[in-house]
Amino acid sequence: AQTVTQSQPEMSVQEAETVTLSCTYDTSENNYYLFWYKQPPSRQMILVIRQEAYKQQNATENRFSVNFQKAAKSFSLKISDSQLGDTAMYFCAFWKGAQKLVFGQGTRLTINP
Amino acid sequence: DTEVTQTPKHLVMGMTNKKSLKCEQHMGHRAMYWYKQKAKKPPELMFVYSYEKLSINESVPSRFSPECPNSSLLNLHLHALQPEDSALYLCASSQDTTYQETQYFGPGTRLLVL
Repeated sequence: AQTVTQSQPEMSVQEAETVTLSCTYDTSENNYYLFWYKQPPSRQMILVIRQEAYKQQNATENRFSVNFQKAAKSFSLKISDSQLGDTAMYFCAFWKGAQKLVFGQGTRLTINP
Repeated sequence: DTEVTQTPKHLVMGMTNKKSLKCEQHMGHRAMYWYKQKAKKPPELMFVYSYEKLSINESVPSRFSPECPNSSLLNLHLHALQPEDSALYLCASSQDTTYQETQYFGPGTRLLVL
């Protein structure tokens, strides 16, 4: 079975701090993609960053970066210099075989002023 | 343009009503998806259309009926729903259904069944 686990249901940090959201996954596949999606209180799901499993280099998008540990099946998201607009639910996601995107249970992140 | 649009934004319906949700994308994507999302939960896949053909039905009750009239448009027809069907219904699209493709989501339709 292929699953995605986010062990932190909620997190809260002060503005400008750095925060790391954890995600582990289980798969027997060798080539795959992992995704972090953000869903702000307005409810639109937005892609934050994605990682290709065959690339050793960690993906980076501005203040967002991942720590991808393939052997450990770990895919954490680091948000640097956090901003109030980063407040959202964050979902880690993984393609399960063909056509299915499997989501973790999500981490509710609150950035406090 | 990475926009997926959904109408209506909100919908209230009785258990005997018939209504439809609409989703549209103009990115040339050939895969479209319907998800159901309950509060504070991840989206749950309902249906997948690939090249306008239904390729996955996640054992969804027949009171939900999907339709893909063309590659840009996806509908979800609702009939005789139950109160537990109240949720946010999300539409998404991707270039195709291979594992490297990013799914782009619409803003959702918030459905309340009375």
